[in-house]
Amino acid sequence: AQSVTQLDSQVPVFEEAPVELRCNYSSSVSVYLFWYVQYPNQGLQLLLKYLSGSTLVKGINGFEAEFNKSQTSFHLRKPSVHISDTAEYFCAVQTGASYGKLTFGQGTILTVHP
Amino acid sequence: KAGVTQTPRYLIKTRGQQVTLSCSPISGHRSVSWYQQTPGQGLQFLFEYFSETQRNKGNFPGRFSGRQFSNSRSEMNVSTLELGDSALYLCASSLGQGAANYGYTFGSGTRLTVV
Repeated sequence: AQSVTQLDSQVPVFEEAPVELRCNYSSSVSVYLFWYVQYPNQGLQLLLKYLSGSTLVKGINGFEAEFNKSQTSFHLRKPSVHISDTAEYFCAVQTGASYGKLTFGQGTILTVHP
Repeated sequence: KAGVTQTPRYLIKTRGQQVTLSCSPISGHRSVSWYQQTPGQGLQFLFEYFSETQRNKGNFPGRFSGRQFSNSRSEMNVSTLELGDSALYLCASSLGQGAANYGYTFGSGTRLTVV
């Protein structure tokens, strides 16, 4: 079985500062990796995904993530955050055999202060 | 194109009742997955349907069930509601074949409150 650990439950940051949200996973087989964002009272929006190939993945809204197989990590980064990035962020993994099933981390609440 | 549509948006039910939630996937998507989101347990996978067949199931009691119709729309049912079933129920759709290659699109969810 696979599991996901998001290392920070809350991350406060000032506007225009860089941010990194950390995600580690555990799996005995190859995984696909995702980052989702959730705004209050809304569903999840896909930010980016790693399926194969280049370990640096670029997503929407200026976010990027790097897959590190040796450290089993998939950290999310943004060089300069905006107030509108305030939301909860979820890291998720899926294996090839688990149809439709994403295993999510517990989420990281990113709060951007002016 | 239209996104994933979940109805109703909010629902209040009494303990012991049953409830049915609906999900209409993006046109052309054949896979529908359901998740339960609570503050304590986070996001947990309920089940996944593809072409009217359940392909995967999470660790939930038999009170939770679902189905998918020929037009890919899906419903989930919870019988004999308990207070602990209060949650945001999210539906996600994808093309379905090699689903991870396409990503999942989530609806806005149904907020169920059991009193």
